[in-house]
Amino acid sequence: DAMVIQNPRYQVTQFGKPVTLSCSQTLNHNVMYWYQQKSSQAPKLLFHYYDKDFNNEADTPDNFQSRRPNTSFCFLDIRSPGLGDAAMYLCATSSGQVSNQPQHFGDGTRLSIL
Amino acid sequence: SQKIEQNSEALNIQEGKTATLTCNYTNYSPAYLQWYRQDPGRGPVFLLLIRENEKEKRKERLKVTFDTTLKQSLFHITASQPADSATYLCALPPGGGKLIFGQGTELSVKP
Repeated sequence: DAMVIQNPRYQVTQFGKPVTLSCSQTLNHNVMYWYQQKSSQAPKLLFHYYDKDFNNEADTPDNFQSRRPNTSFCFLDIRSPGLGDAAMYLCATSSGQVSNQPQHFGDGTRLSIL
Repeated sequence: SQKIEQNSEALNIQEGKTATLTCNYTNYSPAYLQWYRQDPGRGPVFLLLIRENEKEKRKERLKVTFDTTLKQSLFHITASQPADSATYLCALPPGGGKLIFGQGTELSVKP
């Protein structure tokens, strides 16, 4: 089945130690999104790619970076994680940059900061 | 700024009853609205999309309404089952292929 896969499902890192989360998709969608979701809160969009075109949200901290080396893969880099960055990170894809397309989500990576 | 509100209190209902969840929005005139289901520890799963010129949309036991005058969408699950227990999120498009999500309403269906 075509899907969005996030690895790892759980990630523990130390305060200030860089961490990378990965996402891959077999849907061949040209749009990929990264969201941060804290407990009982709405998923919050961090940034998205339309093909290789990177779009950062205005309130995404500089601490968060992303790479998309090809259509199938996208990475979220957190350069110096703080305690406030502990959350579920969700990757999603869609087939076009129009608002009537559903988004397909992976099951997330839960990040803990020690 | 655009704002979406869903009832933050959990909704508890008995199996077989109809569950109704509310999504209100302000400062916004979306052309579409989407509903997603999210299970604990999982990513959201798309359920339904309704356009501004559609008053109602149905899919099996699900029904969504969209009132652009009230700036409100209602999500109904008829003949609810314990397997319907999850958090339900509404989402609206601010443009550019993005979505703004509500914080979701947790539904619990008791046998």
